[in-house]
Amino acid sequence: GEDVEQSLFLSVREGDSSVINCTYTDSSSTYLYWYKQEPGAGLQLLTYIFSNMDMKQDQRLTVLLNKKDKHLSLRIADTQTGDSAIYFCAESDQAGTALIFGKGTTLSVSS
Amino acid sequence: DVKVTQSSRYLVKRTGEKVFLECVQDMDHENMFWYRQDPGLGLRLIYFSYDVKMKEKGDIPEGYSVSREKKERFSLILESASTNQTSMYLCASSSRTPIIQYFGPGTRLLVL
Repeated sequence: GEDVEQSLFLSVREGDSSVINCTYTDSSSTYLYWYKQEPGAGLQLLTYIFSNMDMKQDQRLTVLLNKKDKHLSLRIADTQTGDSAIYFCAESDQAGTALIFGKGTTLSVSS
Repeated sequence: DVKVTQSSRYLVKRTGEKVFLECVQDMDHENMFWYRQDPGLGLRLIYFSYDVKMKEKGDIPEGYSVSREKKERFSLILESASTNQTSMYLCASSSRTPIIQYFGPGTRLLVL
């Protein structure tokens, strides 16, 4: 079945780069997504990438997609304390109706 | 600016009570979703709806029901609340292509 896996925790120092990794199972997913959840809040879309792209950059965020290995990563440059949050990777389901989410990676940024 | 609102941020109920959680979106989306979020378990889909009066079970529908009488409103109902339904409940609505889900702020429900 469809599944999305990601590591649960990442700790970095302010100013360093953070890389959050994700693997997914459904090679037919058209889009792959990164969402961010700040404490006590709902999820907000950070970025998404079309499956025929290898890379997408948006200011401090870089998404890399390795379709052969079904691996997605999110790089945050110059990580700030305000980036501390839970980051969810997601793929579209086979029906193209809903998203399948990973369990989330908690990013902790220390000053 | 897109908006998904949920009726309550925090709710405290007693075991056996009937609980209504409401969600409203202003984006004219066909699809709406209810998730619960628990530490270590991520987001789990309870129900979703792809049109007015239409619903589909998600991964964990037991103990829940839903209602979608109007396109913009999707309600989650706990017929008889139990302590294991203490959780964070998140509502979302989505565009079709690409599927982008927009989330509400969540309702933290405590069942005593």
